[in-house]
Amino acid sequence: AQKITQTQPGMFVQEKEAVTLDCTYDTSDQSYGLFWYKQPSSGEMIFLIYQGSYDEQNATEGRYSLNFQKARKSANLVISASQLGDSAMYFCAMRGIYGNQFYFGTGTSLTVIP
Amino acid sequence: NAGVTQTPKFQVLKTGQSMTLQCAQDMNHEYMSWYRQDPGMGLRLIHYSVGAGITDQGEVPNGYNVSRSTTEDFPLRLLSAAPSQTSVYFCASSPGGSGAYYGYTFGSGTRLTVV
Repeated sequence: AQKITQTQPGMFVQEKEAVTLDCTYDTSDQSYGLFWYKQPSSGEMIFLIYQGSYDEQNATEGRYSLNFQKARKSANLVISASQLGDSAMYFCAMRGIYGNQFYFGTGTSLTVIP
Repeated sequence: NAGVTQTPKFQVLKTGQSMTLQCAQDMNHEYMSWYRQDPGMGLRLIHYSVGAGITDQGEVPNGYNVSRSTTEDFPLRLLSAAPSQTSVYFCASSPGGSGAYYGYTFGSGTRLTVV
C-alpha cells in the first residue's frame, strides 16, 4: 500500500521569507513520482512541481523546489520569498510506475503574513 | 483547451435523491478518476478508470457508480444521496501507460450538499 503523510495542518510564514512544507511517503514501488499541488481558496487544484524517484537532482520550478531525500522517504516543498498569493492549501501526492491511482496527503494550510 | 470540465459547480440534493456529476476531458487521456475532498482528510479516491469500458473502485466507492463508455466522459452517479456524501467532488485525468511521471489534471470541482 502507498501512503502520504503531511504532519503540518497549518503553517504561517512572513512575507518574503522561505517556508518548508513537510511530506513523507511510504511505498514498495521502486519507481514512483512525487507531486505537489496548490489549492487556493477558489478551490481549483494547481500542479506545482514533480520529482521522479530516479531523478538525482532536486526539482525546481521558479520559487518552488522539492527537497527530495529518498532514503528518508521525504519530499518536502520549499517556497522561497513567500508572497501573499501563496496562502493556500498544499497537497503532496504520489503515483507508482503502474499507477492508475494517485495518493494524496491530508494537506497543509499555509498563511502568508504581511 | 478546455481540459477537464465538471458540471454542475454547485448542487443541493435531498436525502434519497439520485443525480449524476458530469466529467469530460478533451486531452485524450486514458486515465480518469473521481475524488472527494472533506476537511482534514485530503482527497480520497472514489472510482477510477484506465480506459473506455474499464472501471475500478478506489478507497471510498460505496454509494457511487461510474461508467466509461467513451475516452472523454466519466460520469459519477450518486444512487441515493445521504448527508455523508456532502463534499467537494473532483474529476481528474492523466495520460495512461506505465510511468510515474504523469500528474493528474483536475476539473474545477462540484460542491455537493445533501440535506
